[in-house]
Amino acid sequence: DQQVKQNSPSLSVQEGRISILNCDYTNSMFDYFLWYKKYPAEGPTFLISISSIKDKNEDGRFTVFLNKSAKHLSLHIVPSQPGDSAVYFCAASAYNQGGKLIFGQGTELSVKP
Amino acid sequence: DAGITQSPRYKITETGRQVTLMCHQTWSHSYMFWYRQDLGHGLRLIYYSAAADITDKGEVPDGYVVSRSKTENFPLTLESATRSQTSVYFCASSGRLAGVNEQFFGPGTRLTVL
Repeated sequence: DQQVKQNSPSLSVQEGRISILNCDYTNSMFDYFLWYKKYPAEGPTFLISISSIKDKNEDGRFTVFLNKSAKHLSLHIVPSQPGDSAVYFCAASAYNQGGKLIFGQGTELSVKP
Repeated sequence: DAGITQSPRYKITETGRQVTLMCHQTWSHSYMFWYRQDLGHGLRLIYYSAAADITDKGEVPDGYVVSRSKTENFPLTLESATRSQTSVYFCASSGRLAGVNEQFFGPGTRLTVL
């Protein structure tokens, strides 16, 4: 059973526009959420995170929104740049799970010039 | 160099052979993890370790063995490789307690089992 789901395998956006990547989860015990970015032939790198006590966290062009009632989070990238083209993974953790992260399937973002 | 490294970066082996993937981190992080990445599945946890000599199974542990005799090393062994274990393997480490779990990933090992 997939506890963290990214239902869009791919997303294509024009440079300068907003990219919105979505993630849904089923486990109400999750209390911390992260987004990772992955380029080909590299390991994932941490991008931004949010605690369940917040509903928004912003870092430059990247903003993560959390809707706990809907068990949904989203990553907004504004403005999108060609260098943002990568696979984005959302991940979730629960305080009682010993540091483990549960990852979604990933969404491949393509930002076209 | 500081950070987390994996070796080899690429490996081709045959069904039935034993293969060991190495992972080394220089941060003295307590937690270390092994994931595999497969299309349509994202990153799935194979094994993890909270400290030296403490390991536990993740989501997909079958066919894999781990050990952690030193904090900085976390090797993953495929005792008898199968074609279904063809994948990209990532090692990660984390120095934080459960709840604030930013993990740092290595560059990955692409394993092909023929």
